[in-house]
Amino acid sequence: AQTVTQSQPEMSVQEAETVTLSCTYDTSENNYYLFWYKQPPSRQMILVIRQEAYKQQNATENRFSVNFQKAAKSFSLKISDSQLGDTAMYFCAFMKLPGGGNKLTFGTGTQLKVEL
Amino acid sequence: SAVISQKPSRDICQRGTSLTIQCQVDSQVTMMFWYRQQPGQSLTLIATANQGSEATYESGFVIDKFPISRPNLTFSTLTVSNMSPEDSSIYLCSVDESAGVLTDTQYFGPGTRLTVL
Repeated sequence: AQTVTQSQPEMSVQEAETVTLSCTYDTSENNYYLFWYKQPPSRQMILVIRQEAYKQQNATENRFSVNFQKAAKSFSLKISDSQLGDTAMYFCAFMKLPGGGNKLTFGTGTQLKVEL
Repeated sequence: SAVISQKPSRDICQRGTSLTIQCQVDSQVTMMFWYRQQPGQSLTLIATANQGSEATYESGFVIDKFPISRPNLTFSTLTVSNMSPEDSSIYLCSVDESAGVLTDTQYFGPGTRLTVL
């Protein structure tokens, strides 16, 4: 079974600064996807970024980028130029491929607060 | 991504009663997923619903407590039966297709916040 660990329950960052959220996972699989989702107070789960394990290049989406270290089973999220709208709970998630039924295994989340 | 709606958005229920949550997708999808998010917790998969077959439940979840229907390729319901305060959670549905294309990425509905008194 896969496990996903987020060791930072809460973090804060000043507006316009950069923050990194940590995630580690445990799996014996070689083929999988990793995700970061954000959940603002509206509770809508929003996809932030996806990383395919077979890709060495780190995924980026505008101000969001990841540092994917497959050997270390680490998958951190960097948010640059933080904005007040980035305040949310951030979840790291794992999906086994293929044959995993597309099930997502989530970490416990990191509450990020962006401050003025 | 697919547009997903859920009804109701929130509800307050008495213990011992049941609530049916609806999930509607704007395109046909093969699989629909139901998750529970208990207060301050992460998401846990309840079951996967395929059209035309019984739902597949995860360990710790049973059909008698969480019956699921999947009458067509755009709609599913989750019923929370014989509710207790421990069932107070956000319930979310998700899909992994958009416009008939498998995306290997799950997109979520807005969730249903359930409070059981």
